Amino acid sequence: EVQLVESGGGLVQPGGSLRLSCAASGFTFSSHSMNWVRQAPGKGLEWVSFISSSSSTIYYADSVKGRFTISRDNAKNSLYLQMNSLRAEDTAVYYCARDNLEYYDFPDWFDPWGQGTLVTVSS
Amino acid sequence: NFMLTQPHSVSESPGKTVTISCTGSSGSIASNYVQWYQQRPGSAPTTVIYEDNERPSGVPDRFSGSIDSSSNSASLTISGLKTEDEADYYCQSYDGGNVVFGGGTKLTVL
Repeated sequence: EVQLVESGGGLVQPGGSLRLSCAASGFTFSSHSMNWVRQAPGKGLEWVSFISSSSSTIYYADSVKGRFTISRDNAKNSLYLQMNSLRAEDTAVYYCARDNLEYYDFPDWFDPWGQGTLVTVSS
Repeated sequence: NFMLTQPHSVSESPGKTVTISCTGSSGSIASNYVQWYQQRPGSAPTTVIYEDNERPSGVPDRFSGSIDSSSNSASLTISGLKTEDEADYYCQSYDGGNVVFGGGTKLTVL
């Protein structure tokens, strides 16, 4: 079964840092690009970042550029999101999502999604 | 920046057909594929349509997608509505390396 499990969420003060992880199983992780997508409470979906299968291509939403860093470890079947200089508006459930196509260095369609991890930025 | 606009909410009765629109702000929506995701309360999104009009395995053929270049919009049509279809629906496309989601449409089946 293809599965994505996020972890690392929690409560952090404004200006603080947090590192999210996404553990993948049930598919060849190293052949798929991956994404982070977030959803603020009661709001819609917002794409955050993309990383290609080999980490050679990375994209960020303007809202997180310069503060967040996406990375992956194909040997550990894991995706990461390092979040620095956190703001109240970063409060959201963060989902990792697999790009459907293999060995494709641009965002495609997302399937599956993990169950999400909640990040709350508050003093 | 490229944006996708959806109606905030739609409602329809069981057994009927509903169409949700997704309008592109600029350029041609037909230039890049459009996807549709369903999100039930408390759950992660799942794909109901990809590449404009393709259904993943397991998605019933009551769900269909289309593109209308004349109005620069994509549409998700759900026929034979069931109460289980009640959910939020999001369209998604891309503009180069930038992924764009529509604001979401809440479908009420009453």
